[in-house]
Amino acid sequence: EPEVTQTPSHQVTQMGQEVILRCVPISNHLYFYWYRQILGQKVEFLVSFYNNEISEKSEIFDDQFSVERPDGSNFTLKIRSTKLEDSAMYFCASSEQSSYNSPLHFGNGTRLTVT
Amino acid sequence: DQQVKQNSPSLSVQEGRISILNCDYTNSMFDYFLWYKKYPAEGPTFLISISSIKDKNEDGRFTVFLNKSAKHLSLHIVPSQPGDSAVYFCAARAESSGSRLTFGEGTQLTVNP
Repeated sequence: EPEVTQTPSHQVTQMGQEVILRCVPISNHLYFYWYRQILGQKVEFLVSFYNNEISEKSEIFDDQFSVERPDGSNFTLKIRSTKLEDSAMYFCASSEQSSYNSPLHFGNGTRLTVT
Repeated sequence: DQQVKQNSPSLSVQEGRISILNCDYTNSMFDYFLWYKKYPAEGPTFLISISSIKDKNEDGRFTVFLNKSAKHLSLHIVPSQPGDSAVYFCAARAESSGSRLTFGEGTQLTVNP
C-alpha cells in the first residue's frame, strides 16, 4: 500500500537554527498538509497546500514557517529560527483531490527537539 | 481548542469483547468525522469516517455512530483483538473551514488477551 514517507525520523537542533523537514506524499495525491503534536497535547493543524500554494494555514503557522514543493515528489516544512516551543512531532499528510470527504494519510512523523 | 473532546484518556477491554470509544464535539459546522488509530512511533492511520448525512458507517469489525443532535460520535470495535491496542483519535472537519482536521485528545485502548 502506498504511504507517506518522512525524513529524518528525529532531528535535534539548537535554538535559533533553521531546520527543514522533508516529506514524500503518496504519488497520486494532490493535497498536502503539515500537522504537529507537542508532547502531551493534541494533534494540531499547521498548513495545507494545493496547486503549489498554501490553501489554508493556522495561527501557529507564522512567518518563521514556510512550505515548499521543490520538485514533483517532495514537500518540505522549513522553520527559519527554531524556538524551544517548536519541539514536537511533525506529521506530513496527503489526500486525493477527488472529494472533500477523502481521508488524510499521515507519515510516521519527524520528532524535532530544539535545545 | 475544545471543539473535539475525547473524555476518556484510556480504556481497557478483554479480547473478544466490544470496545466503545467516545467523542463529543461542539462545533455544529462539523460535517465530516474520522477515526484514526496510532501506534507508538508511527503516524495516525485512517480507520473509518462518516459524513454528517449518515448516522452509521460500518467497515468490518469497526462501526462509527453519529448522533448529530447530541454532537456525539462513537467507534465500536467488535470483537476486539490485542492488535487493536493503540491510541484512537477522533477528528472532525467543517467544509466551511476548508481542509483542516480538528483532533481530539486521543484514547489509549488496551485489549487484554
